[in-house]
Amino acid sequence: QQQVKQSPQSLIVQKGGIPIINCAYENTAFDYFPWYQQFPGKGPALLIAIRPDVSEKKEGRFTISFNKSAKQFSLHIMDSQPGDSATYFCAANGGGADGLTFGKGTHLIIQP
Amino acid sequence: DSGVTQTPKHLITATGQRVTLRCSPRSGDLSVYWYQQSLDQGLQFLIQYYNGEERAKGNILERFSAQQFPDLHSELNLSSLELGDSALYFCASSLRRDGYTFGSGTRLTVV
Repeated sequence: QQQVKQSPQSLIVQKGGIPIINCAYENTAFDYFPWYQQFPGKGPALLIAIRPDVSEKKEGRFTISFNKSAKQFSLHIMDSQPGDSATYFCAANGGGADGLTFGKGTHLIIQP
Repeated sequence: DSGVTQTPKHLITATGQRVTLRCSPRSGDLSVYWYQQSLDQGLQFLIQYYNGEERAKGNILERFSAQQFPDLHSELNLSSLELGDSALYFCASSLRRDGYTFGSGTRLTVV
């Protein structure tokens, strides 16, 4: 059972555009929602994270929007650059479980 | 450098064999997590150790086992290897559950 569903699988955006990646979760015990960025040959790196007591969090060009009632959260990348081309994963944990449940990932390409 | 060290970076072995992957956590982190990343299954949580004790199990096969030593480094043992075990294996460490740092992974190829 996939507890975190991520879409789209792949995304191509022009430089300066705003790619949006969406995730939906099922487990209402989840209370920590991070996004990870992964470049080829590297491990995932924490980008930004949110807890369900806020609806939005911004760090630099990255914004998480969180909708607790819909059990959905999304990542927006403002003023996207070719260097943002990577695979992005949403994840969640909580309810006494420390292990992260990951979405399947979104392969993002920012075209110059 | 994330501070989490995984060795070896690459491993090629035959079916039926046993391998050991090693992880040194970031200084000060007490938890070590192991994840498997494959193309079809994505990143799957395998197991967590906290200060030497097993804390949680995820989708870990019975052929796989892990341990965390007194110096907090961890080893993941994979035995009776099958072609389908070919994947990237990541270790992550944290002090709290919201502060994960991943290593660069071990790419395992079973032939």
